[in-house]
Amino acid sequence: EPEVTQTPSHQVTQMGQEVILRCVPISNHLYFYWYRQILGQKVEFLVSFYNNEISEKSEIFDDQFSVERPDGSNFTLKIRSTKLEDSAMYFCASSERRDSPGKLFFGSGTQLSVL
Amino acid sequence: GQQLNQSPQSMFIQEGEDVSMNCTSSSIFNTWLWYKQDPGEGPVLLIALYKAGELTSNGRLTAQFGITRKDSFLNISASIPSDVGIYFCAGQLDSGSRLTFGEGTQLTVNP
Repeated sequence: EPEVTQTPSHQVTQMGQEVILRCVPISNHLYFYWYRQILGQKVEFLVSFYNNEISEKSEIFDDQFSVERPDGSNFTLKIRSTKLEDSAMYFCASSERRDSPGKLFFGSGTQLSVL
Repeated sequence: GQQLNQSPQSMFIQEGEDVSMNCTSSSIFNTWLWYKQDPGEGPVLLIALYKAGELTSNGRLTAQFGITRKDSFLNISASIPSDVGIYFCAGQLDSGSRLTFGEGTQLTVNP
């Protein structure tokens, strides 16, 4: 069964460092998302991406964050200068069509720890 | 932003019991969704609801989209140990827009 793949599964970094989280969405999907989940809390929306541009972003997704689809298969989230409060599980998700509401398939996540 | 209130926060039940959890919102959603999350994994979609009043089943799971569009519930019948996990409701306002998640219900099933 097709799945969304995320790497690495765990990332430890020092405060102020840049990190890049990588995702390979399901191959025929066109819409891509990043969500995050701080330990013990709910899943929060960060950004959605379609046709090589951001469709929607949340208030969390400030200038320190950026997304990119560098080739036909990868979708990345970059945090330029990490802060302690960026520590969270980051989930990539993809969906086939914009009018398939809620049919997002999530990856297993990257646990980011900022020290 | 929109907020979802999910209750209860946690439940401890015996195998075979039925379970009910619900979500309420101060504003309308046009799609309601229920996800399950196992430790170390991403959310997995259980049920999607698209119309006010809709009642949908998926095996032992049944969910309803409230008539006011401001609430939804999920029932699990005859619980089994593998039902253990965190259940999240999520609302979506417009097709393609962000999902807003509830805070989750931690379900523990004792054999």
